[in-house]
Amino acid sequence: EAQVTQNPRYLITVTGKKLTVTCSQNMNHEYMSWYRQDPGLGLRQIYYSMNVEVTDKGDVPEGYKVSRKEKRNFPLILESPSPNQTSLYFCASSLSGQGVVAYYEQYFGPGTRLTVT
Amino acid sequence: GDSVTQMEGPVTLSEEAFLTINCTYTATGYPSLFWYVQYPGEGLQLLLKATKADDKGSNKGFEATYRKETTSFHLEKGSVQVSDSAVYFCALRNPNSGGSNYKLTFGKGTLLTVNP
Repeated sequence: EAQVTQNPRYLITVTGKKLTVTCSQNMNHEYMSWYRQDPGLGLRQIYYSMNVEVTDKGDVPEGYKVSRKEKRNFPLILESPSPNQTSLYFCASSLSGQGVVAYYEQYFGPGTRLTVT
Repeated sequence: GDSVTQMEGPVTLSEEAFLTINCTYTATGYPSLFWYVQYPGEGLQLLLKATKADDKGSNKGFEATYRKETTSFHLEKGSVQVSDSAVYFCALRNPNSGGSNYKLTFGKGTLLTVNP
């Protein structure tokens, strides 16, 4: 079954304790991305990756890191979490392409609910 | 920059009622438009899409038409069911902005509750 998986699904942690949220896809997608979802704000992009070893900032990258050492995995790293990073996080992936017609559906993971106290 | 505005709700309907969720956008060029649905406790699923003006996307009884003259992509369904209760997100992807980033720009979401 084609899917994007995230772990953990729920996490409660304390300020300053480093954590990693994993994301893995089994569709051989080149493009992967992280979003955070906050009430009244919708989803906002944190980081994205066009392929292995190619990553770039989205709209709200502060306080986050990512890496893309393998095509299937795109972990999100919070080196020193703070309460304002309490949110629902989604990983997404898609095939890549160029131009107006080259759109491919983005597949989303089930989400990781993070609480930082 | 690009933006999406959708009615915030919540929207509460009785089963078999007609649904409209309004969505308008601001973007340069010719963005692709999407509706995603998020069922309780789950991730987002693509509901329908339209990639050029006057295209109609449809799926599971839902429809939306890409209206470039009014920059709108309103979601409609003729007869909603309890199982349609979810959060609905309007989104766009603009190939003219962000270089190679396939970022989706989302509206804030609309919570729909359908009562029996």
